[in-house]
Amino acid sequence: KQEVTQIPAALSVPEGENLVLNCSFTDSAIYNLQWFRQDPGKGLTSLLLIQSSQREQTSGRLNASLDKSSGRSTLYIAASQPGDSATYLCAVNNYGQNFVFGPGTRLSVLP
Amino acid sequence: DAGITQSPRHKVTETGTPVTLRCHQTENHRYMYWYRQDPGHGLRLIHYSYGVKDTDKGEVSDGYSVSRSKTEDFLLTLESATSSQTSVYFCAISDRDRAIDEAFFGQGTRLTVV
Repeated sequence: KQEVTQIPAALSVPEGENLVLNCSFTDSAIYNLQWFRQDPGKGLTSLLLIQSSQREQTSGRLNASLDKSSGRSTLYIAASQPGDSATYLCAVNNYGQNFVFGPGTRLSVLP
Repeated sequence: DAGITQSPRHKVTETGTPVTLRCHQTENHRYMYWYRQDPGHGLRLIHYSYGVKDTDKGEVSDGYSVSRSKTEDFLLTLESATSSQTSVYFCAISDRDRAIDEAFFGQGTRLTVV
């Protein structure tokens, strides 16, 4: 059974810092991995999707990498802003198991 | 944004009453999912559908049933609501028939069972 963990559980940084969020999964036979953002009381917004054959994806200040063999993905946020404050979730898409989510990293970017 | 609408957005109901949550999509995706989100447990899959009248159980399906009579609608029913079903419920869709299979989520339904 696929299990997904995320480190750290919470993170507080001053504005402008570059930061890295980590996601680990136990079964490397994945179809893809997706990073989401969730604001309090809101739904999930898709940020980046990495196919199993890809190593990384970029969107603006966000860069996600995938190392399938070691069961790891990282989300890099450059030049963080207060508007980046949210919970970040990674989800692994397994063949036959649908989307398995990590517990999330709660990010606070202080002005 | 993907066209996913959940209704109602908020509901308070009494223990033992039936409750139906609706998810409507305009993207014509074959796969639809119901998740619940709880503090300390994250997002957990309740049921999913891979086509009209085709559904399967997820990790936490006890006490829930689903139906899909049209591609665009996926209903989640709590036959007899219990306090343990107080949660935020999210509907999701994905385009599994295409190579990418990206998931998109609705805005959620906050259900309180008193």
